[in-house]
Amino acid sequence: EAGVTQFPSHSVIEKGQTVTLRCDPISGHDNLYWYRRVMGKEIKFLLHFVKESKQDESGMPNNRFLAERTGGTYSTLKVQPAELEDSGVYFCASSHRIKGAVGYTFGSGTRLTVV
Amino acid sequence: AQSVTQLGSHVSVSEGALVLLRCNYSSSVPPYLFWYVQYPNQGLQLLLKYTSAATLVKGINGFEAEFKKSETSFHLTKPSAHMSDAAEYFCAVSVTDFGNEKLTFGTGTRLTIIP
Repeated sequence: EAGVTQFPSHSVIEKGQTVTLRCDPISGHDNLYWYRRVMGKEIKFLLHFVKESKQDESGMPNNRFLAERTGGTYSTLKVQPAELEDSGVYFCASSHRIKGAVGYTFGSGTRLTVV
Repeated sequence: AQSVTQLGSHVSVSEGALVLLRCNYSSSVPPYLFWYVQYPNQGLQLLLKYTSAATLVKGINGFEAEFKKSETSFHLTKPSAHMSDAAEYFCAVSVTDFGNEKLTFGTGTRLTIIP
């Protein structure tokens, strides 16, 4: 089966611009998660979708970040306007509804650089 | 709340030597524990996971980890290091509650193999 696909793989934008990251989960996976790793720090949870509903968005840093999962398929994470501290690697993961964390598959990540 | 501490942000071992990467966790409920590996320019790959079955868990590429509740530890080992093991390794914890499956990661350990 196809894995979790993220694009772009790299993005370099200027401070104040808008960037949209996309994640295509494994087909049939209701759970979709976003995580972020800022340089040198731990990978941190951002939010969790179950189908199209936000189950937990406690990790979203501020209202400049907007995540959507229309139709319960792919998800987008928009950063508007981007700040320097938003630089990092953004990971997406998906899992089957009954498996949760034990069934995670991660994507390769999007490396975002804000200059 | 859960937390993970990985001792040593950088570990170097000689090829053929024992690999030991340390992970201690904190959790108020029975945890699920994971080790992930990230090779250069790739995503996060699951090495192994503990889900309350056997305390000694075997993973891919010859790695294994032992869950020790009394020590709140889940150290990763491999008897003989190979050059291909050079990567960054992440320990993570999740609670067992259905519907609340986010991962809490440690800060990672970069493993260097000396020829």
